[in-house]
Amino acid sequence: SQQGEEDPQALSIQEGENATMNCSYKTSINNLQWYRQNSGRGLVHLILIRSNEREKHSGRLRVTLDTSKKSSSLLITASRAADTASYFCATTQNTDKLIFGTGTRLQVFP
Amino acid sequence: SQTIHQWPATLVQPVGSPLSLECTVEGTSNPNLYWYRQAAGRGLQLLFYSVGIGQISSEVPQNLSASRPQDRQFILSSKKLLLSDSGFYLCAWNPTREYEQFFGPGTRLTVL
Repeated sequence: SQQGEEDPQALSIQEGENATMNCSYKTSINNLQWYRQNSGRGLVHLILIRSNEREKHSGRLRVTLDTSKKSSSLLITASRAADTASYFCATTQNTDKLIFGTGTRLQVFP
Repeated sequence: SQTIHQWPATLVQPVGSPLSLECTVEGTSNPNLYWYRQAAGRGLQLLFYSVGIGQISSEVPQNLSASRPQDRQFILSSKKLLLSDSGFYLCAWNPTREYEQFFGPGTRLTVL
């Protein structure tokens, strides 16, 4: 069964605005990862945050992790139309098997 | 650099027909290999993973099987497709003991 649940399911914003997506999970984890999927394509890894980390940045991406609340957030700053995609969180426990959430569909309007 | 290939890109098959989807990885050796299925508008469900030639672990009971005849080749098969087998099938790999996974472009399967 899927461990992660993303919130919101869908998000529409204008270019230049920030987009925030949240992910909740159920059990303890080793790390949490965020992936991006353009329509009909494979997934692309964005960022990995380990269970002992609280925040991580990569370019316009900022990820936070709160293990006490079993939740993570992905912030995309100054969004662009090219950021339009589905975003998934995925967790690992004691293996390298990923357990994916249900995803957030982001639409950025020019 | 490493690359991952999947074929075919799209496939339309009748119910009851066999299936063979292929995934190959270049530029690495002894990768962990994974097959996922994604239903429309949903997240990914892990179907099979393999840590080496001939070593297959199944995550969910289903109509599908997987094989790894060579180090960098992973095959997803079925003897008789069901309507419920329709979906987007993704192959992925990662180096042993690393957690980030690299995905192929996927195969969209429609069973009619």
